[in-house]
Amino acid sequence: QSVLTQPPSASGTPGQRVTISCSGSSSNIGSNSVYWYQQLPGTAPKLLIYRDNQRPSGVPDRFSGSKSGTSASLAISGLRSEDEADYYCAAWDDSLSESRVFGGGTKLTVL
Amino acid sequence: QVQLVQSGAEVKRPGASVKVSCKASGYIFINYYMHWVRQAPGQGLEWMGIVNPSGGSTSYAQKFQGRVTMTRDTSTSTVYMELRSLRSEDTAVYYCARGEYGALFDSWGQGTLVTVSS
Repeated sequence: QSVLTQPPSASGTPGQRVTISCSGSSSNIGSNSVYWYQQLPGTAPKLLIYRDNQRPSGVPDRFSGSKSGTSASLAISGLRSEDEADYYCAAWDDSLSESRVFGGGTKLTVL
Repeated sequence: QVQLVQSGAEVKRPGASVKVSCKASGYIFINYYMHWVRQAPGQGLEWMGIVNPSGGSTSYAQKFQGRVTMTRDTSTSTVYMELRSLRSEDTAVYYCARGEYGALFDSWGQGTLVTVSS
């Protein structure tokens, strides 16, 4: 199983706000930045949030990230059909010989 | 614009090796690290390792130590990932991803499907 824990699925209706959680430990989320990636069906992942809560240029401000202790969250407000995708959190883990670790991914369905 | 173009799909027998390439353009090649991440069918993302295009130093995930080698060619702005002693569990899409030394991957290649089957 993955070092970072995410719910396997999430859902919402258009216009709603949904959040996706990512739980880790003191050796990863608790001491390092968290990153979020969006993977649309059949495509490569795309950087969505970096350094816990920063958005790359071009990412809508409907997407936001937060972190508290050893957990992080991705929030998507004003949900749109094109947000239907897999979402992954990632972090550096100090205890695993410089390893970068991912969550297992959350499949977001827009109902 | 940043582009990472990977080599084409491969089919390999168990026990064989595969070498995947990733050609970078649109930025100064030696200024960014390159990571390799793989994704088995229907599964999540798995970090494999990192290569520093500037000096060629590498760091690999423990799971792949001894079986993977990542190299770079600065003359062609290309990085390579070779995985040896392939087994069926290595069937996956392999991505190169530009980024920092940490877990920031800001541009990704299109992916290379490697199928290991007898």
